[in-house]
Amino acid sequence: EIVMTQSPATLSVSPGEGATLSCRASQSVSSNLAWYQQKPGQAPRLLIYGASTRATGIPARFSGSGSGTEFTLTISSLQSEDFAVYYCQQYNNWPLTFGGGTKVEIK
Amino acid sequence: EVQLLESGGGLVQPGGSLRLSCAASGFTFSNYAMSWVRQAPGMGLAWVSGISTSGGDTFFADSVKGRFTISRDNSKNMLYLQMNSLRAEDTAVYYCARNTGTAYYMAVWGEGTTVTVSS
Repeated sequence: EIVMTQSPATLSVSPGEGATLSCRASQSVSSNLAWYQQKPGQAPRLLIYGASTRATGIPARFSGSGSGTEFTLTISSLQSEDFAVYYCQQYNNWPLTFGGGTKVEIK
Repeated sequence: EVQLLESGGGLVQPGGSLRLSCAASGFTFSNYAMSWVRQAPGMGLAWVSGISTSGGDTFFADSVKGRFTISRDNSKNMLYLQMNSLRAEDTAVYYCARNTGTAYYMAVWGEGTTVTVSS
């Protein structure tokens, strides 16, 4: 099983600042990596797939990069609605696996 | 509008069974692979099971292999998860998710249904 490790577990950021979230795979997943956002009491929402392709309707301030084992989600200027938990997920190998999540909180 | 609506959750005793359903609408269901993902209280996301467009290929997390079965009825636009021999650690919100034709990222999510396994 591929283990996905996200860091940091919690990120404290002021509105308007940028944020960089990391996701590491225990073995290569090529570019088969997705990012999701989840707010309390809500279902997750797809942000990025293919490591760097924004899903439909996702603002340009969200960007993804990386391949192989190292991936990054960057939020260029945090808006109030961006404070949430973010998960990465690999879909290169079975079983599919998620990272443990990064909580982005207001500083 | 693309929609996924889960149902069938509830309280069940350890060792019991439950069948979850997911009604899909707003898209050509038979063109998409589908998955179930769960989230235990206060925890992160965990993929449970996936099924190909035709239903010919099914995939399971090790934690549920041999206990859970996934199936679909493309004529009814329905996805199912049959859960047997339930354990306390199966307690979670269960989400139905639409994948793509062949790539298993979760492009669309339902609102989830809650399963509680307790005596």
